[in-house]
Amino acid sequence: QQQVKQSPQSLIVQKGGIPIINCAYENTAFDYFPWYQQFPGKGPALLIAIRPDVSEKKEGRFTISFNKSAKQFSLHIMDSQPGDSATYFCAATDNYGQNFVFGPGTRLSVLP
Amino acid sequence: DVKVTQSSRYLVKRTGEKVFLECVQDMDHENMFWYRQDPGLGLRLIYFSYDVKMKEKGDIPEGYSVSREKKERFSLILESASTNQTSMYLCASSSSGTGVTYNSPLHFGNGTRLTVT
Repeated sequence: QQQVKQSPQSLIVQKGGIPIINCAYENTAFDYFPWYQQFPGKGPALLIAIRPDVSEKKEGRFTISFNKSAKQFSLHIMDSQPGDSATYFCAATDNYGQNFVFGPGTRLSVLP
Repeated sequence: DVKVTQSSRYLVKRTGEKVFLECVQDMDHENMFWYRQDPGLGLRLIYFSYDVKMKEKGDIPEGYSVSREKKERFSLILESASTNQTSMYLCASSSSGTGVTYNSPLHFGNGTRLTVT
């Protein structure tokens, strides 16, 4: 019940494409869903996050879609660029924010 | 900007050695975490601490211990290193805030890549 499933494991798109990464969870106590971006040699950095009271959140070219009834959420990257090539992790936590559960990650490559 | 600093980027240790991984954060965060990152497994929580001298086991605490003597510093200890502890170790911190967790993301260090031979 603590798992967060993430797919695909890896993704290759052309510049300008719209990669989509999907995540699913089971624990209904989760109420904060961040996405982290990790470049090689660096720690993960917060990219965008959503709470379950909204169905969509946009920040620049990054959008989270959230489906509370299906317990699924996804990251869309509009007009993807080679600089977006990184590993992306979805995560979930409960209201205490002391136990973040991470998906296994998606390695994204954006070809020039 | 929050800064989480891990003392070593790379470490090579021998089986059976006692290993200390150090982490310091400069934002007065209450919560500190140690994660292990392995390909295909994502980030797995080893231990976390929500206050000085307090610690809680995460998902994979076996073979590890932690120490938090000061608020800004959180140490991970491998009592007797084994080859299956070869991994990337990530320290993170967050603010407890007032329970508004969406304002309290994790801030990560750049990791320590540990190799046990």
